[in-house]
Amino acid sequence: KQEVTQIPAALSVPEGENLVLNCSFTDSAIYNLQWFRQDPGKGLTSLLLIQSSQREQTSGRLNASLDKSSGRSTLYIAASQPGDSATYLCAVDNYGQNFVFGPGTRLSVLP
Amino acid sequence: GAVVSQHPSRVICKSGTSVKIECRSLDFQATTMFWYRQFPKQSLMLMATSNEGSKATYEQGVEKDKFLINHASLTLSTLTVTSAHPEDSSFYICSAPTREGETQYFGPGTRLLVL
Repeated sequence: KQEVTQIPAALSVPEGENLVLNCSFTDSAIYNLQWFRQDPGKGLTSLLLIQSSQREQTSGRLNASLDKSSGRSTLYIAASQPGDSATYLCAVDNYGQNFVFGPGTRLSVLP
Repeated sequence: GAVVSQHPSRVICKSGTSVKIECRSLDFQATTMFWYRQFPKQSLMLMATSNEGSKATYEQGVEKDKFLINHASLTLSTLTVTSAHPEDSSFYICSAPTREGETQYFGPGTRLLVL
């Protein structure tokens, strides 16, 4: 059974810092991995999707890496801003089956 | 790009009433849709898999008689919370994979508050 964990559970940083969020999964037979952002009371916003054959994806200040063999993914946020404050979820897609979500990392970027 | 919609986005109801939530794939057909719920300060958890033309499959601990799922067409799945109680208050979200299975799209979610 796939299990997804995320560390840290919560993170508070001053504005401008670069930061890394970590995601681990137990079953490396994944189809893809996706990072989401969730604002309080809102739905999910997809940030980056990494297919199983890819090593990383970049979008603006965000960079996500994937190491299937070790069951790890990281989300790197450069030059953090207060507007980045949200909960970040990673989820793995087990070959078109349902997503398995991690518990999330609550990020606070202080001005 | 492909879009999944949910309706309503927010609903407040009295205890004992039933609430129907719709999930639609707007520009692609989805033979399968997934329903998740998220309790406060917890992650999203799969509730059930909705299959067009057949019965839904439910995750352990999810009451199938309480959470009725109907996959009426290739673009519509509905989740009905029957006789809702305050403990059913949650954020419900659906997702639908494309037929090719390349990716999944998530609906915007429905926030249910049962008084």
